[in-house]
Amino acid sequence: DTAVSQTPKYLVTQMGNDKSIKCEQNLGHDTMYWYKQDSKKFLKIMFSYNNKELIINETVPNRFSPKSPDKAHLNLHINSLELGDSAVYFCASSPTSGSLGEQFFGPGTRLTVL
Amino acid sequence: GENVEQHPSTLSVQEGDSAVIKCTYSDSASNYFPWYKQELGKGPQLIIDIRSNVGEKKDQRIAVTLNKTAKHFSLHITETQPEDSAVYFCAASSGGGADGLTFGKGTHLIIQP
Repeated sequence: DTAVSQTPKYLVTQMGNDKSIKCEQNLGHDTMYWYKQDSKKFLKIMFSYNNKELIINETVPNRFSPKSPDKAHLNLHINSLELGDSAVYFCASSPTSGSLGEQFFGPGTRLTVL
Repeated sequence: GENVEQHPSTLSVQEGDSAVIKCTYSDSASNYFPWYKQELGKGPQLIIDIRSNVGEKKDQRIAVTLNKTAKHFSLHITETQPEDSAVYFCAASSGGGADGLTFGKGTHLIIQP
C-alpha cells in the first residue's frame, strides 16, 4: 500500500498556464509538506500544513498556493507558470505530537515548463 | 535559519569497502538529524536518523554519529553493495512535527564492482 502518493508523476505545460499537483497520505499523519528539488538535486522546503493550517512559507512566490481539503490531502496549485518552476516537487508527511520528526516522501512530480 | 553542509558531493568506493559521508549544521537548536537515500526517479527514503541526546546509532550496515559540540554528523556504510549506489542526503531540524527539514546538497555514492 502506498503511504504518500502524488499525481501526476510527470507534468509538461506551457509558460503562463495554471496547474495543480495532488498529494494524499494514508498514514494518518497530521502534518504535510511540499518540497522542491531543482536540477542540481537540491531539496528545499516550500510549505508545511498542520491540521489544515499553513505554518511555514519559505519565501515561495504567491503564485504557489497549497490547498488542504482534509488532513490526508495537500494539493499544490501553481498559477502563471514560469520556466524556473521546472523541477521535481515532492510531497511528504509526518506525525505530530510526540513525533521524532520523521518525514515520509512521495514519489515526486516532475514539472517541465516549456 | 539552519544551514547544512554536506561532503563529498561524489564518493566512489569499491564493493565491500566502507563509505563515510559528513555533514555540518549551523543552528544549535537543531536536534533531529535524518539521512535519506534517493534512487533515480524516486522520492527520498529515510534510512536512519539520530536525535541530539544520542551520540551514535547503528542499524545493520548503516551507522550515524553525532558530535553536538562540533555540530557534525556522519553516515557510515560498511560492506558496501551495488544496491547502495544512490544519492544520500543529510538533513537537520528542530524535531518538532511541524518543522520542515533543511537538507544538505547530497552525495552521489557510486559502488564500483
